[in-house]
Amino acid sequence: GAVVSQHPSRVICKSGTSVKIECRSLDFQATTMFWYRQFPKQSLMLMATSNEGSKATYEQGVEKDKFLINHASLTLSTLTVTSAHPEDSSFYICSALYDLGYEQYFGPGTRLTVT
Amino acid sequence: ILNVEQSPQSLHVQEGDSTNFTCSFPSSNFYALHWYRWETAKSPEALFVMTLNGDEKKKGRISATLNTKEGYSYLYIKGSQPEDSATYLCVRTNAGNMLTFGGGTRLMVKP
Repeated sequence: GAVVSQHPSRVICKSGTSVKIECRSLDFQATTMFWYRQFPKQSLMLMATSNEGSKATYEQGVEKDKFLINHASLTLSTLTVTSAHPEDSSFYICSALYDLGYEQYFGPGTRLTVT
Repeated sequence: ILNVEQSPQSLHVQEGDSTNFTCSFPSSNFYALHWYRWETAKSPEALFVMTLNGDEKKKGRISATLNTKEGYSYLYIKGSQPEDSATYLCVRTNAGNMLTFGGGTRLMVKP
C-alpha cells in the first residue's frame, strides 16, 4: 500500500528557533498533502492544504507566516514552524492524497516540544 | 504487537451492507483508544473514546467495542450509506498521552 513518511518523528527545540518537518510520499505522487496538529487530549485539527506548485491554503486561525508550507515536488511537502514558542508544542501529522484523491494516507506524525 | 494495526486497509461495500473493522494495539501501558472518522481535506471527526476493558459505545448506526486485555477494538457500521465513505482511524494513547496511529481503514460505500 501507499506509504507516507515524516521526519523527524520527534524534535525538541528552544524557544525562538525554527523547525522544519518533512512529509514524503514514498511510492506515489501526491499533488495534495494536508497538515494537521493535535493538542493534548484534543482531536486532530486541519491546519492547511498543501498543493504542489502553488501556495498552501490555510484554515481559519492558522498563521501562514508562522507555519510555512512548501510543496516543492510531487513527493515532498515541508512544514516549518518559525520562531517556535512553547505553545507550539504539539503533535503534527501530514497526509497525502492518492489515487485521484479518493484515498488519503498519512504519515506517522512528528512530536514537537519547544522548551 | 508493537504498533497499532488496522484491518482491512480498504473496503468496498454496497449501500445497506453492514461492516466492521479491526484495530489491534499493544495492551501494555494502555490509557485510551480513539476512533475517528476522517473525510479527505477535513479534520478528523472523533467518534468514540474508550478506556475500560469491555467498553461499548454507540453513535447512530456506528458502534465500537474495546478489549484492553487482548489489545483490540472493533468498529461496526450497520446499514452502510454512501455518506459513511471515509477513512476510519484508530489511535491509541498511553498513560503519558503518547499517541500511536493505526494505518486507517478506507471505506467506500457504493450506492
